[in-house]
Amino acid sequence: DSGVTQTPKHLITATGQRVTLRCSPRSGDLSVYWYQQSLDQGLQFLIQYYNGEERAKGNILERFSAQQFPDLHSELNLSSLELGDSALYFCASSSTGLPYQPQHFGDGTRLSIL
Amino acid sequence: TQLLEQSPQFLSIQEGENLTVYCNSSSVFSSLQWYRQEPGEGPVLLVTVVTGGEVKKLKRLTFQFGDARKDSSLHITAAQPGDTGLYLCAGGSNSGYALNFGKGTSLLVTP
Repeated sequence: DSGVTQTPKHLITATGQRVTLRCSPRSGDLSVYWYQQSLDQGLQFLIQYYNGEERAKGNILERFSAQQFPDLHSELNLSSLELGDSALYFCASSSTGLPYQPQHFGDGTRLSIL
Repeated sequence: TQLLEQSPQFLSIQEGENLTVYCNSSSVFSSLQWYRQEPGEGPVLLVTVVTGGEVKKLKRLTFQFGDARKDSSLHITAAQPGDTGLYLCAGGSNSGYALNFGKGTSLLVTP
């Protein structure tokens, strides 16, 4: 058990819809990362937050947004969903967010767009 | 984006065999991490290497960071079915906070 909790585990929705994925980081960790994993692209970094502030941005689409709340949990919002957004979405956390620090991953949310 | 190429993409071996998987880049990394991911779970960190030429051992797994800090290898001795999984390497740089992940090597060890 990594200590990182992601909900829901599975999400099935239709094109054009909007969903929110939730992540609670490991106790004491200040940094949260979001990743998208698909078979052809591998694990792609989307965005990182540290103590409520955005710290780094990766290949995140404009239709996607995220935030980290004062209690350090984070939400990833995906809107105007397309078939290609079907993937596993992972949240990870680390204590300070420095690149050489280990990241602790949740078990992911599997998003299926019909 | 600093690209990490992992090879082979897939590897199927029998229990007891040795294997090596590779992680290569044209970029220099300040640190490199190896993760293992099992079906239905998130990646789990195995090791972090930060010094060029560094070798770390974790039971039957040996990790090496290249002298130029552009590549790394993972060697497994006497593989067991419990080693089955997706092995991911991830590089970090001093110029950014994000890790860049390779696409992974999918390993299957059969009894």
